[in-house]
This record gives sequence, C-alpha cells and structure tokens, in this order.
Amino acid sequence: GENVEQHPSTLSVQEGDSAVIKCTYSDSASNYFPWYKQELGKGPQLIIDIRSNVGEKKDQRIAVTLNKTAKHFSLHITETQPEDSAVYFCAATSGRYKLSFGAGTTVTVRA
Amino acid sequence: GAGVSQTPSNKVTEKGKYVELRCDPISGHTALYWYRQSLGQGPEFLIYFQGTGAADDSGLPNDRFFAVRPEGSVSTLKIQRTERGDSAVYLCASSSTEQNTEAFFGQGTRLTVV
Repeated sequence: GENVEQHPSTLSVQEGDSAVIKCTYSDSASNYFPWYKQELGKGPQLIIDIRSNVGEKKDQRIAVTLNKTAKHFSLHITETQPEDSAVYFCAATSGRYKLSFGAGTTVTVRA
Repeated sequence: GAGVSQTPSNKVTEKGKYVELRCDPISGHTALYWYRQSLGQGPEFLIYFQGTGAADDSGLPNDRFFAVRPEGSVSTLKIQRTERGDSAVYLCASSSTEQNTEAFFGQGTRLTVV
C-alpha cells in the first residue's frame, strides 16, 4: 500500500516568513495529493490539492509543488500569519478514494 | 446540511461496552468514508461507502468494528466490546463522487474507553 512520510514534524516561523512542508510517497500510481489543515478540536480542512498532471498550483498565499519522478510534493505558505498556526497533513491516493496521510506537521507562527 | 456532521462530539464508555457513532454527510454526496485518528498521527482509513454498500472495508481493524449506511445518506460506525486501544478520534468524510474529488471531513467524535 501507499506510504506517506512528512517532514518536519514541527515548524516554528516568525510572522511574515515562509513555511515549507515536504512529503514523499511510495506508490508511483498515486495521482491525487491533497493538503489538510487541522485546528485543535476540529476535523481536517482541505486547503489545496494537486493532481499528477500538474506540477504546481497556487492559491493566494498557499502553493503546492509536485515532483512525480522523485515522488515528493511540498506545501509552501508565504507571508505567514498567526491564524496559519495549526497541524498540516499531506495525503496521497492511487485508489480513487483511500487517502494515505502523513503524520502531520505542527506549524507555529510567532507574532 | 452545510457540512459533514458527526454525533456525539465526545463519547466516554467503559471497556466492554457497545458504542455507535453517527455521521451525516453533505447532502447529495454519494461517497462516505470513516477514518480513525490517534493522538499525534494522521487519519487512517477504515471503510468506504459508495451509496448504501461498503465498497472497501479493508481498514477495519477487526470484527468488533462494523459500519452501515442503509439509505445511502447517514452512516453509523458500530464498535462492540470496546477496548482501551479503541480510544481515538473517529472522523467521517464525504465527497460528491469517488473520482479523486475533494473529501470534506466532519469535526470527529472523540471516543475514550475507560
């Protein structure tokens, strides 16, 4: 099955700086890669996703890149704000429905 | 409804008891998923429904776990003879179809077995 590894496990950044989270996956058939943000006591919220036919996608301050050859993808948050503090999860799927999640990255934005 | 709704939000039960966790997906979503999230970990797949049928239950840990979706909307996850190791947050998600579309999660049910 799919194995997703995520790094770092914790990330502390100064407000206004950028944050980068990296994930690798094992199944070369994976073709859908969503990123979720989870705040304390809440369920994961989809913030951006990318499909295997696209190398990069951007939505305001958030961008995701995908390198299919190396089997890794990354989340980039620019101009971080205190409300960006949360746990972020990457995921991948080769099956059409079964998401495999990374272990999560706790992001803390220091004011 | 506006989003995926799960009830109860918290459930404390004694070891050996039976529990039911409910999920009300987004209206019109045919695909429904259950995941389990242990502390400090990412969600792990349990079971997937397309309509009323369980298309994939390969993630259920053992036969104490069972889920139904009789009318293709609300789903119930049932756990028999609960064990302390079952303590986790149980998440439900739904999507409009199974074809790599956005999965929207509920807030989860935090189950504590004492």
